[in-house]
Amino acid sequence: NAGVMQNPRHLVRRRGQEARLRCSPMKGHSHVYWYRQLPEEGLKFMVYLQKENIIDESGMPKERFSAEFPKEGPSILRIQQVVRGDSAAYFCASSPRLAGTDNEQFFGPGTRLTVL
Amino acid sequence: TQLLEQSPQFLSIQEGENLTVYCNSSSVFSSLQWYRQEPGEGPVLLVTVVTGGEVKKLKRLTFQFGDARKDSSLHITAAQPGDTGLYLCAGLGGNKLVFGAGTILRVKS
Repeated sequence: NAGVMQNPRHLVRRRGQEARLRCSPMKGHSHVYWYRQLPEEGLKFMVYLQKENIIDESGMPKERFSAEFPKEGPSILRIQQVVRGDSAAYFCASSPRLAGTDNEQFFGPGTRLTVL
Repeated sequence: TQLLEQSPQFLSIQEGENLTVYCNSSSVFSSLQWYRQEPGEGPVLLVTVVTGGEVKKLKRLTFQFGDARKDSSLHITAAQPGDTGLYLCAGLGGNKLVFGAGTILRVKS
């Protein structure tokens, strides 16, 4: 049973370019979460999605960042006009059911974004 | 804003020693999860505790959830070099996990 898959594992962009990060949840999981881990900081929640719906985007920066989880295909985290401060590790997690007291989130290996 | 304070931030011990990592908050969480993260990889789930006062054991690791569901601890008995890594606690608040800053554990042989 394959785990959460993320690609690319490493991404280098120049300032002003766009970054697209992909996440395929575990088989049978329909809930996807994105987290960001900045250098020397802990993991911070960004957004929670179900198929075709954004449920909670309270952790997303107001500008340049967007996320989607289409009916078919992986979840995408898109960062437009990247800046050096966007350099971080971006992790995707998935869970099999609605958030609840026993909700368990399983993480992918992450995408390490470097902005030059 | 829910916050989780994790201590110590860094721990360096000799093989065979015991250790405890603490995770404290002023907020109540519906559940708390412990992860271990290796450099360059994603967090790997170790355990989920749900009930106040709950104790779970995973080989040499013992996890405890406080009665009020605000704090948790991870105790490792007879640490081994293979236990080296970053240990993270995370509380489930609504839809999202709130993470502590982590404890970097180094076990020397």
